[in-house]
Amino acid sequence: EDQVTQSPEALRLQEGESSSLNCSYTVSGLRGLFWYRQDPGKGPEFLFTLYSAGEEKEKERLKATLTKKESFLHITAPKPEDSATYLCAVQAGGGSEKLVFGKGTKLTVNP
Amino acid sequence: NAGVTQTPKFQVLKTGQSMTLQCAQDMNHEYMSWYRQDPGMGLRLIHYSVGAGITDQGEVPNGYNVSRSTTEDFPLRLLSAAPSQTSVYFCASSYGQGHGYTFGSGTRLTVV
Repeated sequence: EDQVTQSPEALRLQEGESSSLNCSYTVSGLRGLFWYRQDPGKGPEFLFTLYSAGEEKEKERLKATLTKKESFLHITAPKPEDSATYLCAVQAGGGSEKLVFGKGTKLTVNP
Repeated sequence: NAGVTQTPKFQVLKTGQSMTLQCAQDMNHEYMSWYRQDPGMGLRLIHYSVGAGITDQGEVPNGYNVSRSTTEDFPLRLLSAAPSQTSVYFCASSYGQGHGYTFGSGTRLTVV
């Protein structure tokens, strides 16, 4: 069974304090690993797709990396506006369109 | 460019009532999905479609029906609402084949 586990559940940072969020997964043939940001009362907002181990993608203060068992979302010098819940999801190969989501990491960045 | 539009944003139903949650996208995406989000459970797939006229069940399909008569629209029908269907519902669309999904802003449904 495909599974995604995100840690920590919640993370509090001071503005400028860099850190990483973890997404561990088990999937039968990874087609893609997705990172989303979700603000309260809104739908998930797409950030990155990673397809194979060793791949990295960056967007502003965010950098996502992928290994065969986990993905990290590195946040460099975060700002209060980076506060949100970050969701990780995997999509298995074999033609499935199902995304399996983790429960998310709630990030709070204090000024 | 509106993206994925969901209506209504909020709804309260009595147990046993039926209703349809509307979803429309203007990105010409072939793939569309419905998820529900519950506290402590994460997002779970209800039904999905890979094109007009084609639908399939996801992880939690019981109590819900879908149809896809056009590329743009993918309505979700609750046949006989139950308190266990109290949740936030998200519609999403994608080009598929490993591309990221674009989500709507959600419908918050309460069944009393």
